[in-house]
Amino acid sequence: DAGVIQSPRHEVTEMGQEVTLRCKPISGHDYLFWYRQTMMRGLELLIYFNNNVPIDDSGMPEDRFSAKMPNASFSTLKIQPSEPRDSAVYFCASSLLGGELFFGEGSRLTVL
Amino acid sequence: GENVEQHPSTLSVQEGDSAVIKCTYSDSASNYFPWYKQELGKRPQLIIDIRSNVGEKKDQRIAVTLNKTAKHFSLHITETQPEDSAVYFCAASQRDDKIIFGKGTRLHILP
Repeated sequence: DAGVIQSPRHEVTEMGQEVTLRCKPISGHDYLFWYRQTMMRGLELLIYFNNNVPIDDSGMPEDRFSAKMPNASFSTLKIQPSEPRDSAVYFCASSLLGGELFFGEGSRLTVL
Repeated sequence: GENVEQHPSTLSVQEGDSAVIKCTYSDSASNYFPWYKQELGKRPQLIIDIRSNVGEKKDQRIAVTLNKTAKHFSLHITETQPEDSAVYFCAASQRDDKIIFGKGTRLHILP
């Protein structure tokens, strides 16, 4: 397996624009997580899914953030409208229950 | 919800010396405690984990200890080497699914 695949790797956008980050988990993994990493806050859990169903979205900072998992092999994290404080590295990770988290390479977002 | 505190935020040790990173957690129901290492510009990767039925676990130069009564756990790296320089994250989980991370410790190994 190629591992968790995220796109884009880098995104630079202007404040107010919509941003969509994409993730393909490892085949067979039934958990998918979205984390945000910043220097100040470390790795924050935004939302996670089990069998494509959102289980806990309490970490989603605002209504501007939304996430979907329409099938077992694809998830999106959308920010609309984006703000400069959303600048961060966004990681997607997948796992089996109780197993190791396998992270993607991350999407570095810069909002100007 | 679970809250994980990690100290120190930065740690510098001479090559060959030991490094210790400490974490505390808030939810007594947590039962799984993994540690991840993130090298510069890379993704976090699991290096060791421990479950609440075990007090200590070792893997070569790395060991983790758990004190459930005090709700704290620690990572110990012995005989540190340059390749140990990285950011280390501790984490806690209640049900093996929702994993909450500490803010990380940046470890510098000095020549």
